[in-house]
Amino acid sequence: DAKTTQPPSMDCAEGRAANLPCNHSTISGNEYVYWYRQIHSQGPQYIIHGLKNNETNEMASLIITEDRKSSTLILPHATLRDTAVYYCIVRPSNNAGNMLTFGGGTRLMVKP
Amino acid sequence: DSGVTQTPKHLITATGQRVTLRCSPRSGDLSVYWYQQSLDQGLQFLIQYYNGEERAKGNILERFSAQQFPDLHSELNLSSLELGDSALYFCASSGLDWGEAFFGQGTRLTVV
Repeated sequence: DAKTTQPPSMDCAEGRAANLPCNHSTISGNEYVYWYRQIHSQGPQYIIHGLKNNETNEMASLIITEDRKSSTLILPHATLRDTAVYYCIVRPSNNAGNMLTFGGGTRLMVKP
Repeated sequence: DSGVTQTPKHLITATGQRVTLRCSPRSGDLSVYWYQQSLDQGLQFLIQYYNGEERAKGNILERFSAQQFPDLHSELNLSSLELGDSALYFCASSGLDWGEAFFGQGTRLTVV
């Protein structure tokens, strides 16, 4: 898996957009960017993934730069329940390749 | 609710003992993964099974073993337990996209 770099922690005001960055400068052409989050001691939760186009679902938006060397996960209106550790992972999107490898992630604190 | 069920939720046992953790994957998912999360470490991949066969191994100790049964449920066996084995153990399952995994709520193991 390509290595990812994320800031260890971020704060966000409730109701504002939370923008979580991730650098993946060594990403390969067949590797997707996946985002997961883990709310305190719960099982990690899949959020979204993408290859090169921007993606949006009911939870978040994923913006990938044109050179694919970095991406940003956007939570449009953060709530207190979005406080969690967010993990950015790159891997092929198929039933092959390496397992999901979780790094340190970004600890997002949403404050009232 | 991810659809992945882990039992038991909590387990307290003594050093030297053996325990079995159980995981029922989401309906139709053929892949099952086991992860360990200690207080001072991140999520560590242990092992993957795909349709009953071991597919990948991570940082799994020789004292640990796992299997996936014909009905696709999986068990993780931990033996000769040590204090350092105290951790959260997560099971996850996935369908065709191994990157999109669904995690259970974990089993919290405490070795005393």
